[in-house]
Amino acid sequence: AQSVAQPEDQVNVAEGNPLTVKCTYSVSGNPYLFWYVQYPNRGLQFLLKYITGDNLVKGSYGFEAEFNKSQTSFHLKKPSALVSDSALYFCAVRDPGSSNTGKLIFGQGTTLQVKP
Amino acid sequence: NAGVTQTPKFQVLKTGQSMTLQCAQDMNHNSMYWYRQDPGMGLRLIYYSASEGTTDKGEVPNGYNVSRLNKREFSLRLESAAPSQTSVYFCAIAGTGVSPLHFGNGTRLTVT
Repeated sequence: AQSVAQPEDQVNVAEGNPLTVKCTYSVSGNPYLFWYVQYPNRGLQFLLKYITGDNLVKGSYGFEAEFNKSQTSFHLKKPSALVSDSALYFCAVRDPGSSNTGKLIFGQGTTLQVKP
Repeated sequence: NAGVTQTPKFQVLKTGQSMTLQCAQDMNHNSMYWYRQDPGMGLRLIYYSASEGTTDKGEVPNGYNVSRLNKREFSLRLESAAPSQTSVYFCAIAGTGVSPLHFGNGTRLTVT
């Protein structure tokens, strides 16, 4: 069965420092992987996705993520955090064998707190 | 969020009451989804509709029904609300291929 794990409930980082939000997955075959961000009282917003190709993918707002097949990980990174990056982040996976686009399996979410 | 409109934004129900959550999109996407979000559990798929006229169960369909009224609208109905259905409900849409989901702003439902 497919699954996604975000091992940290909360990540705290100082503004200007690099940040990493961790995600590991379990899926048969080659996964499609996604990161979403949620600000308070809003829906989720798409940040980036990995389908195939380069292991480092770049997305919105300066975020990037590194796909590591051997470690089954897809960690979200940013070189220099901003206070405005503080939000709830979700990793999600889709079985590429699924015929339906939106049937994603989500991790439980990681709260990112960036302090000035 | 642009493209997906959910109503109402907030609702309080008593156990046993019924209600319908509405979702409408203006992006002309075929696929529509209902997810629920609970603390520490991420989002879980309730029902989805791959195209007009079709609906399928997701991970947690019990206690819910859906209607894909037309290409624009996808409603979620609670026939007899239970406290376990207290949650934030999100409607999402997706295009073809490996398109990302576009989410509405959610409906916060409390069942007492």
